[in-house]
Amino acid sequence: ETGVTQTPRHLVMGMTNKKSLKCEQHLGHNAMYWYKQSAKKPLELMFVYSLEERVENNSVPSRFSPECPNSSHLFLHLHTLQPEDSALYLCASSQGGDSGNTETQYFGPGTRLLVL
Amino acid sequence: AQTVTQSQPEMSVQEAETVTLSCTYDTSENNYYLFWYKQPPSRQMILVIRQEAYKQQNATENRFSVNFQKAAKSFSLKISDSQLGDTAMYFCAFMKHGAQKLVFGQGTRLTINP
Repeated sequence: ETGVTQTPRHLVMGMTNKKSLKCEQHLGHNAMYWYKQSAKKPLELMFVYSLEERVENNSVPSRFSPECPNSSHLFLHLHTLQPEDSALYLCASSQGGDSGNTETQYFGPGTRLLVL
Repeated sequence: AQTVTQSQPEMSVQEAETVTLSCTYDTSENNYYLFWYKQPPSRQMILVIRQEAYKQQNATENRFSVNFQKAAKSFSLKISDSQLGDTAMYFCAFMKHGAQKLVFGQGTRLTINP
């Protein structure tokens, strides 16, 4: 595998379910991101992890819970979601962190989530 | 706060034509980066081109080039000799130097017709 991978690619869940989205980067980067892409809205940054520490939580509801066990993996745990949470969830990675450099973010293919 | 505006929701051109996508942004920062990303129907977000604000020379990548006007806060993307595979959503994005947050525009849906 190369680049940034995401699983599953598609997910349908009920409002009472608990599920997790997985992201893995094979680029040797040290920063990872979750973005939400809804219809007719710009991409919204949700979370940023740099050197495995969360450095930004962009006012995301607590029903979304991120986890970054190491620099290559990022999870988004979902529970008691609402229908308006249906969207494409994109993961990205970059080489940045404490270096202060602004590095390009590379994206995964996304997980299409439908909440019923 | 920074904002990015793409004023063209949709565009359509014939194959082999040249097309220019517009992007304007608002910031008080002097040092920043601008990006164009492409999202084809497969949904994979792919980097097209990147421009550092401190560089006066416009970035180019093969058939893709930008017209960066810092004073006007404008960052347009020109696609030359357009191909069917260029059909996609195109997003303009801004990032402050040293930051990790990308601010995206609303996107322009580009269709290349045979």
